[in-house]
Amino acid sequence: KAGVTQTPRYLIKTRGQQVTLSCSPISGHRSVSWYQQTPGQGLQFLFEYFSETQRNKGNFPGRFSGRQFSNSRSEMNVSTLELGDSALYLCASSLDQGTTDTQYFGPGTRLTVL
Amino acid sequence: EDQVTQSPEALRLQEGESSSLNCSYTVSGLRGLFWYRQDPGKGPEFLFTLYSAGEEKEKERLKATLTKKESFLHITAPKPEDSATYLCAVLNQAGTALIFGKGTTLSVSS
Repeated sequence: KAGVTQTPRYLIKTRGQQVTLSCSPISGHRSVSWYQQTPGQGLQFLFEYFSETQRNKGNFPGRFSGRQFSNSRSEMNVSTLELGDSALYLCASSLDQGTTDTQYFGPGTRLTVL
Repeated sequence: EDQVTQSPEALRLQEGESSSLNCSYTVSGLRGLFWYRQDPGKGPEFLFTLYSAGEEKEKERLKATLTKKESFLHITAPKPEDSATYLCAVLNQAGTALIFGKGTTLSVSS
């Protein structure tokens, strides 16, 4: 089975711009979560989508948003980029069968904001 | 507030020198504790899930154990290819968000 894929792998943007990142989950997985990883804060939860609905949200400003499509693929968008948004953005998918499902991570998108 | 603390932050071992990594947690109802391995520039790779105190799981040179307050990742006779950052995360009763520790960076030299 193919793993979680994320595109693009690397992005360079300038302050004030917006960016869209894409995630394709493992086939059959219905839940997609997004995390931000920085050297100072580590891995922090952004939000989680299931059946095209945001089911859970972390403590991030409204500039961070996402959506999920009917085929479970997900996108996240960051508007009005700030220098502090430079990070590795990770997507994870899980089966979500009502038990404690393991989340499997993609390779991440490295975003650099100049 | 749910919290995960990993120690040490960094660990240097000689090849064959066994050791343990610690993950202490406080969580409002543990649904699961997860161990991941992360290589530089890559996403976390799943290693183990533990659900209840007393549970143990093994994979090659790695063994994970769980108590009511902490988990240990034991590394037996490590090799240089075991060098990576090891991340611990918990899932609480309320949500679907993993709460991660800051990780332990392991370096194994030959």
